[in-house]
Amino acid sequence: DVKVTQSSRYLVKRTGEKVFLECVQDMDHENMFWYRQDPGLGLRLIYFSYDVKMKEKGDIPEGYSVSREKKERFSLILESASTNQTSMYLCASSQGGSQETQYFGPGTRLLVL
Amino acid sequence: QKEVEQNSGPLSVPEGAIASLNCTYSDRGSQSFFWYRQYSGKSPELIMFIYSNGDKEDGRFTAQLNKASQYVSLLIRDSQPSDSATYLCAVTSGNTGKLIFGQGTTLQVKP
Repeated sequence: DVKVTQSSRYLVKRTGEKVFLECVQDMDHENMFWYRQDPGLGLRLIYFSYDVKMKEKGDIPEGYSVSREKKERFSLILESASTNQTSMYLCASSQGGSQETQYFGPGTRLLVL
Repeated sequence: QKEVEQNSGPLSVPEGAIASLNCTYSDRGSQSFFWYRQYSGKSPELIMFIYSNGDKEDGRFTAQLNKASQYVSLLIRDSQPSDSATYLCAVTSGNTGKLIFGQGTTLQVKP
C-alpha cells in the first residue's frame, strides 16, 4: 500500500511565524503535490514537484515556497504566516509517467491566529 | 481555464438505492479520470479510475466515461449510510502529471 504521511495533523501558529509542513511518501513516487482545501473552494494546487530539486507553481503559490531535497520528502513553507492561510493542507504523491493516480496524506489542519 | 464541474448537492438517496454522481470536464485532451471519496475531516481516498469510454465496474461502484460528451459519472449500487461522503471527480491536465479536481458532490444516504 502507498503511504503518504504528514508531519502534523493539527497546527496552531501566530501571524508572522515561519511554518514548515512536511510530507513523506514511501513508494518511490516521482511526483509530489501540495494542495489546500477550503469550504466552497475545493482543492487548490499550491506547488508540485516532478523530481528532486524540481518544482513548479500551481494555481495559488503566493505566500508559499517548497523544498524537495530528497525524493521521498516534500516540504511546504509559509514564510510569514497570515490568517488567510488558515486551511486544511493536503500532500499527495503519484508514480509519474502514465501512472497519474494521486495518493493523499491525512492532511494538516493549520490555524493561524 | 480548464474546469471540472460537479453539482455540489447534497444528493440524498435512501439506503439500498442507486446513487448517481455526475461530472463534466472542459479539456478534450484529458485522458484519465478519477473518483475520490472524502469523509468529513479526512483526506480524499481513491475509489476508481477509468481511461476508456464505457463502463468500469468494481463491486458496488461503476464508473462511466463518455469522452465525446466530456462526461464521467459514478454509480453506487445498494447505497449504504457509510457511503455518505463528498465525492470528488478529477481529470488529468494534459501530460503535466497534474489533476484538476471538481468541487465535489455531497452524498447523503438515509437509513
